[in-house]
Amino acid sequence: AISLTQSPSSLSASVGDRVTVTCRASQGIASSLAWYQQRPGKAPEVLIYDASSLESGVPSRFSGSGSGTDFTLTINSLQPEDFATYYCQHGGSFGGGTKVEIK
Amino acid sequence: EVQLVESGGGLVQPGGSLRLSCAASGFSFSNYWMRWVRQAPGKGLEWVATINEGGSVKYYVDSVKGRFTISRDSAKNSLYVQMNSLRAEDTAVYYCARVKSGNNYGVGDYWGQGTLVTVSS
Repeated sequence: AISLTQSPSSLSASVGDRVTVTCRASQGIASSLAWYQQRPGKAPEVLIYDASSLESGVPSRFSGSGSGTDFTLTINSLQPEDFATYYCQHGGSFGGGTKVEIK
Repeated sequence: EVQLVESGGGLVQPGGSLRLSCAASGFSFSNYWMRWVRQAPGKGLEWVATINEGGSVKYYVDSVKGRFTISRDSAKNSLYVQMNSLRAEDTAVYYCARVKSGNNYGVGDYWGQGTLVTVSS
C-alpha cells in the first residue's frame, strides 16, 4: 500500500504569509493526489485534485504542484480562515496532516 | 444543493454492532462511487470503505475487513455501513463522502457532517 508522508506536522504563520506544505508518496502516483482542508469540528473540504487542479469555489490563493512522489500545497497570502489542518490523499491513504496555526 | 447527512452513531459496548446511514440528496446518487472515512478523536483521517455505483464492488481497509460491510440503496438514496464486533479503536467520527465524478483515486468532493461512534464499556 502507498503511504503518504506530510511535512511539517505543524507550522506557525501570520496573516499574509506564504505557506508551503509537502507530501511525499512512498511510490510514484503520477498526478493522482488531492489536498483537503479541515477546520476544527468540521468535515474535510477538497481544495486541490489531480495535484494541481483547483476545486470549484476554492480561492485562487491555494495552489498545488508536483508529480510522481513529491507534491506541494501552497497558500499565498494566508487569511484568518485558512488556519486549519491540511491533508493529502491518494486512494485509501491520507497523509498525517499539517496543522497551520496562528503565530 | 448536494447534501450528505449521516446518522446512527452512538455509544456501543465492545463486541457490539452499529449501523450507520448516510442520506444523500441534490445529486444522482446511483451515478457515484461513495466512501466512508473516519477520524479518531484528535487524530487524522482514515479511509474505511468504498463502494461503486451499483454496489457490486467494495473495498475495505484491512482493520475492518470481516467486521464492517458497506452497502447502498439507490431507491432510498442512502449509503450504509454495518459495523460488527466493534473495538475501542473503532471509536471515531465517521464521515460519508461522495467520490468525485470520473475520479479513480477516491477524491471526496462532498462530505457529510459526520456521526460519532464511541466504543466503550
